[in-house]
Amino acid sequence: EAGVTQFPSHSVIEKGQTVTLRCDPISGHDNLYWYRRVMGKEIKFLLHFVKESKQDESGMPNNRFLAERTGGTYSTLKVQPAELEDSGVYFCASSPSGAFFYNEQFFGPGTRLTVL
Amino acid sequence: GENVEQHPSTLSVQEGDSAVIKCTYSDSASNYFPWYKQELGKGPQLIIDIRSNVGEKKDQRIAVTLNKTAKHFSLHITETQPEDSAVYFCAAGYGNKLVFGAGTILRVKS
Repeated sequence: EAGVTQFPSHSVIEKGQTVTLRCDPISGHDNLYWYRRVMGKEIKFLLHFVKESKQDESGMPNNRFLAERTGGTYSTLKVQPAELEDSGVYFCASSPSGAFFYNEQFFGPGTRLTVL
Repeated sequence: GENVEQHPSTLSVQEGDSAVIKCTYSDSASNYFPWYKQELGKGPQLIIDIRSNVGEKKDQRIAVTLNKTAKHFSLHITETQPEDSAVYFCAAGYGNKLVFGAGTILRVKS
């Protein structure tokens, strides 16, 4: 079974530019999450999708960040315009539905974003 | 909101020794406590987890203990091997959201 995949693995952009990150969850997982790790600190929650609906976006830093999950499959996270403080590693995770498995999140390899 | 503190930030042990990483959480509503291992260039990998109705769980060389009263949980790795070297993250979860500790860099010296 394929794991969570993310594209690109690295992205270097200049301040003010736009970047779009993509995540493909494990097939059949209804729950998809975005997290971010900045400057070697803790991994922080950004938002959670259940299928195509945003369940919780309380961790999104500001309105420069837009996440979508059209059709309930893959998800994109767009940063527009990018700022220096957006640099970090963006992780995507997915988990199956069901009360018992709900919390077990499987992470992708991450996208390392560098804003110059 | 929930806050998770993780100690130590770095840990060096000799191959064969045990390693212990400790975490404290703040929200008593948290009911799920996973541990993730992140190797260089890879994403965090779930290695063991424990739910709030269990005090201890073991899987081969790794074990996790949970003290709900103290809001404290720990990861124990016995007979450490060089391939255990990685960054380890604890997390506390309630519902959909995981709150992570800052991570522990574990180095196993051979």
